[in-house]
Amino acid sequence: QQPVQSPQAVILREGEDAVINCSSSKALYSVHWYRQKHGEAPVFLMILLKGGEQKGHEKISASFNEKKQQSSLYLTASQLSYSGTYFCGTKGFISGGYNKLIFGAGTRLAVHP
Amino acid sequence: NAGVTQTPKFQVLKTGQSMTLQCAQDMNHNSMYWYRQDPGMGLRLIYYSASEGTTDKGEVPNGYNVSRLNKREFSLRLESAAPSQTSVYFCASSAEIAGGRRETQYFGPGTRLLVL
Repeated sequence: QQPVQSPQAVILREGEDAVINCSSSKALYSVHWYRQKHGEAPVFLMILLKGGEQKGHEKISASFNEKKQQSSLYLTASQLSYSGTYFCGTKGFISGGYNKLIFGAGTRLAVHP
Repeated sequence: NAGVTQTPKFQVLKTGQSMTLQCAQDMNHNSMYWYRQDPGMGLRLIYYSASEGTTDKGEVPNGYNVSRLNKREFSLRLESAAPSQTSVYFCASSAEIAGGRRETQYFGPGTRLLVL
C-alpha cells in the first residue's frame, strides 16, 4: 500500500518553514525520505526507524510517530536549494523480513526569493 | 567512483519495438532495483534483484523482463514496447544493511523513454 503524502505541493518564500507529512495504513518499521530536483535522480536524505527517533540533515529534520504510522519532514528557514520533490518511502514487516521500499506520490516544494 | 550509471539517457521507440536499458553500479552493492516514474505517481518498483543470480517482481512487472548479469549489472528489457511504457526509468542499488530496515538506495540518472 502506497503511503499518502500531504500536501501535494508547497510554495514558500526563502526563510519560511514547511512540514510534509507521510502516512500509512500499515504498521511501519522504517520511513525513508528522498529529495529529487527537477530532471535529476532522487537523493537520500534520512531514515527513521521504529522507536520515534528524530533525525536531522542540515536544517531539515524529521520525526516518526509509530502509533499513528506517520512521519513528518520539517524544513526550517527554507533555502532556494530546498526546491524539488520530496518522497517518503516506507517499509513494513512481512514474513521473513521487510517489504521492499514503497514510495509515496511525492510533495513538490518550490522556494522563491 | 561513478556510483550508478544508466544507458541510454533518452530513447524514442515505436510501438512493438524492443530495447534493453542498461544499469551498472561500482559500489559492490548486493541489491539492485528498476523503477518507473510517472507524473503524480511517484516511483513504482518494476523488478528487483536481492543478490547476483536472483530476481523478483515488484509492483508493475508486466511487459518487462530483467537480467542480473553479474553483481555490477542489472538490465531491463522491453520486449514489445507500448505507449503506456512511456516513462522515466531509474535504476537503484543498495547495500541492504541490517536486514533491509536501514537500506539506503542510490539512484542512477534515469532513462527517458518515449513510445510512439
